[in-house]
Amino acid sequence: YVLTQPPSVSVAPGQTARVTCGGDDIETKTVHWYQQRPGQAPLLVLYADRGRPSGIPERFSGSNSGNTATLTISRVEAGDEADYYCQIWEPGADHLVFGGGTKLTV
Amino acid sequence: QITLKESGPTVVEPTQTLTLTCSFSGFSVSTNGMRVGWFRRPPGKALEWLALIYWDDDKRYRPSLGNRVSIYADTSKDQVVLTMTNMGPEDTATYFCARSHDYYYGLDVWGQGTTVTVSS
Repeated sequence: YVLTQPPSVSVAPGQTARVTCGGDDIETKTVHWYQQRPGQAPLLVLYADRGRPSGIPERFSGSNSGNTATLTISRVEAGDEADYYCQIWEPGADHLVFGGGTKLTV
Repeated sequence: QITLKESGPTVVEPTQTLTLTCSFSGFSVSTNGMRVGWFRRPPGKALEWLALIYWDDDKRYRPSLGNRVSIYADTSKDQVVLTMTNMGPEDTATYFCARSHDYYYGLDVWGQGTTVTVSS
């Protein structure tokens, strides 16, 4: 199973960033999103398409429909600049699959 | 508090075997639904999954690695160990371990990572 992300997204501070994750019938999958700042470990920012772990701002939201899952970051701040990865558990094989990552530039 | 921490060599020679240890606290790998995995990010490349061990000792591996990689849990020490044979320059990366208590909730806690360079 392949997850496809745009290599980069650029947005001005205060605007809304949308990072997409494409996959065949991805709406039937449970999609998670991770933020990885330079030199740091990945951080779970959304689980199960739209759930926010404790401590993640409400500015982070998600959706999943058809062949595209989307991470939306509202009121983007300089600190949101990072690489973002989508991830699923491949049904049947129980393998983990990551998208190729999207570099968000603010 | 749940923590994970990776440890192992920083430099490995080509063809050698890499052994990395993930030491964790605040949970048990034997708890129903728990899983601990290993991941890496090569310089300039994307994050990738390597191996996963489940609470019932079931294991999964990245298909492209073939039989180079293995994972096991030492429940007496709260550790999960990754071994990777026949290391090559393409295996130079920062390696992370992470846990998930249920596939629905994703990988909710990660270690800080450890950098491994393959060089003679």
